[in-house]
Amino acid sequence: DGGITQSPKYLFRKEGQNVTLSCEQNLNHDAMYWYRQDPGQGLRLIYYSQIVNDFQKGDIAEGYSVSREKKESFPLTVTSAQKNPTAFYLCASGTTQHFGDGTRLSIL
Amino acid sequence: GENVEQHPSTLSVQEGDSAVIKCTYSDSASNYFPWYKQELGKGPQLIIDIRSNVGEKKDQRIAVTLNKTAKHFSLHITETQPEDSAVYFCAAPNAGGTSYGKLTFGQGTILTVHP
Repeated sequence: DGGITQSPKYLFRKEGQNVTLSCEQNLNHDAMYWYRQDPGQGLRLIYYSQIVNDFQKGDIAEGYSVSREKKESFPLTVTSAQKNPTAFYLCASGTTQHFGDGTRLSIL
Repeated sequence: GENVEQHPSTLSVQEGDSAVIKCTYSDSASNYFPWYKQELGKGPQLIIDIRSNVGEKKDQRIAVTLNKTAKHFSLHITETQPEDSAVYFCAAPNAGGTSYGKLTFGQGTILTVHP
């Protein structure tokens, strides 16, 4: 079945550690997006990519990095510079935005 | 960029009643308005969308209306069922009105349908 897969479902970060969240899609979509979801704040755009080897910052890119080496993959790295990383992270693909089921990141 | 306001933040109804959620947007050039349903522990799922060339769109028990003059659009759910309980998000383009691509989301509405 076609879809978008995020892994892991739960992730814990230690102080000063970088962690990478995986997002893979087999929908043949050019566009991919990363959102952060906090309670009561809806979804906020972190980074997006409209084509392989190209990506742009969203509204809250500080402390995050991405790469887009393959059409199917758009991993997000939460760096140690992100001081408040605890959130639910959602990846989406396509112009009408099909979402994965998210990764919940917490601080140890 | 686009600013989207969504109301109410919580909505509680009895099974069989109707539910209405309203969103306002700021960019008059915006021309695509999707609605998403998010169940607990899942990602949002697109349930209905509307483009600016129509004023209303229906899909079974769900409808969306658009008022471009007032810059607001609403989600209407009729004959609500307990399985409609979820968080609902509206969205509008965050890219100068283009139909697809970056979206700005509303803050979400927690809908609870009581049996």
